[in-house]
Amino acid sequence: AQSVTQPDIHITVSEGASLELRCNYSYGATPYLFWYVQSPGQGLQLLLKYFSGDTLVQGIKGFEAEFKRSQSSFNLRKPSVHWSDAAEYFCAVGAPGGYQKVTFGTGTKLQVIP
Amino acid sequence: GAVVSQHPSRVICKSGTSVKIECRSLDFQATTMFWYRQFPKQSLMLMATSNEGSKATYEQGVEKDKFLINHASLTLSTLTVTSAHPEDSSFYICSAGGDGKLFFGSGTQLSVL
Repeated sequence: AQSVTQPDIHITVSEGASLELRCNYSYGATPYLFWYVQSPGQGLQLLLKYFSGDTLVQGIKGFEAEFKRSQSSFNLRKPSVHWSDAAEYFCAVGAPGGYQKVTFGTGTKLQVIP
Repeated sequence: GAVVSQHPSRVICKSGTSVKIECRSLDFQATTMFWYRQFPKQSLMLMATSNEGSKATYEQGVEKDKFLINHASLTLSTLTVTSAHPEDSSFYICSAGGDGKLFFGSGTQLSVL
């Protein structure tokens, strides 16, 4: 069964600082990997996804993530955080096919301080 | 613009009533739709998967008679919470998949009084 672990429940960073959110997955083959962001009371917005190819994936809002097969990781990064990035971030894994069942991690809540 | 439209965004109802939530794919044909539930400060938990024209497949622990899912067309799926109770209060999100794409709706906050 596929699973996702986000070890950090809550992270606080200063505005302008760099950010890395951790994500580890468990899946029998190469999975489809996603990062979503959710603002309070809102739905999910896709930041980026990895299906195949280049292991460094660029997303929206200046985010990127790197797929590391050897570490079963798909960490999300941003070089300089903005106050508007404060939200909940979910890593997710899905079976190949792109629109199969997606399993979400427990989420990491990002707080940005001035 | 949004490619998956979910309505209503917020609903408040009395205990014992039924509530219907709609999920529409706007720019593509959604062969598969997923319904998730999110409790406060928790992750999204998959409730059921529905393929157009077929009965929904429910995850373990989800009552199919309570959460009725209909996926009658390639652009519309509905989730009906029957005889809602306060413990059904939650954030419900749909996602639609097809043509190699997967998009999420904006969610419905259900509050049962």
